[in-house]
Amino acid sequence: DAGITQSPRHKVTETGTPVTLRCHQTENHRYMYWYRQDPGHGLRLIHYSYGVKDTDKGEVSDGYSVSRSKTEDFLLTLESATSSQTSVYFCATRPGTGLYEKLFFGSGTQLSVL
Amino acid sequence: QQQVKQSPQSLIVQKGGISIINCAYENTAFDYFPWYQQFPGKGPALLIAIRPDVSEKKEGRFTISFNKSAKQFSLHIMDSQPGDSATYFCAASNGAGNMLTFGGGTRLMVKP
Repeated sequence: DAGITQSPRHKVTETGTPVTLRCHQTENHRYMYWYRQDPGHGLRLIHYSYGVKDTDKGEVSDGYSVSRSKTEDFLLTLESATSSQTSVYFCATRPGTGLYEKLFFGSGTQLSVL
Repeated sequence: QQQVKQSPQSLIVQKGGISIINCAYENTAFDYFPWYQQFPGKGPALLIAIRPDVSEKKEGRFTISFNKSAKQFSLHIMDSQPGDSATYFCAASNGAGNMLTFGGGTRLMVKP
């Protein structure tokens, strides 16, 4: 998976608790993304980063925040988890050296909010 | 609103048959159309991609057909094999921003 590690791989939490998911890459890629995957909805972009401390919102950013203090790490935080945030979360990266680059995905984090 | 619509949601094909997955898009600014393949428990991986300057691209048993006027593109898997059983996502972006918009996914099962 192109040196992309997501942690944890599985998490069960309760409504109202904060949750942080981590994405770590060893490829020195400039761009990093957080997607959520839900049946029938495909992959939807939550937030992305185009450099250290440079982030922007995606299609479904409400209820999520991100931070990138180092090139290799991109954190996704659910400030107060809700049942609608039960999903599989994928981190992706791309080099950022040209157009039409492919995305490299991690193996995902299965999050269940009870 | 879903800018890339994918069909069918699920598909069952016999070994050796042809699998066909269709996608339609709305944004005429899109100029890059990749397909990603995802096996259970794994992240998606790029399978094949096309730019709108060509109507077809073939890589082995996988072919993308592109119809710019109809704003549609499709993935054909020839001689489908059980190992092709996976979820397939079409996607689209405009290369300047390279923000991919994904379709809803198709779960393909190839029966032996």
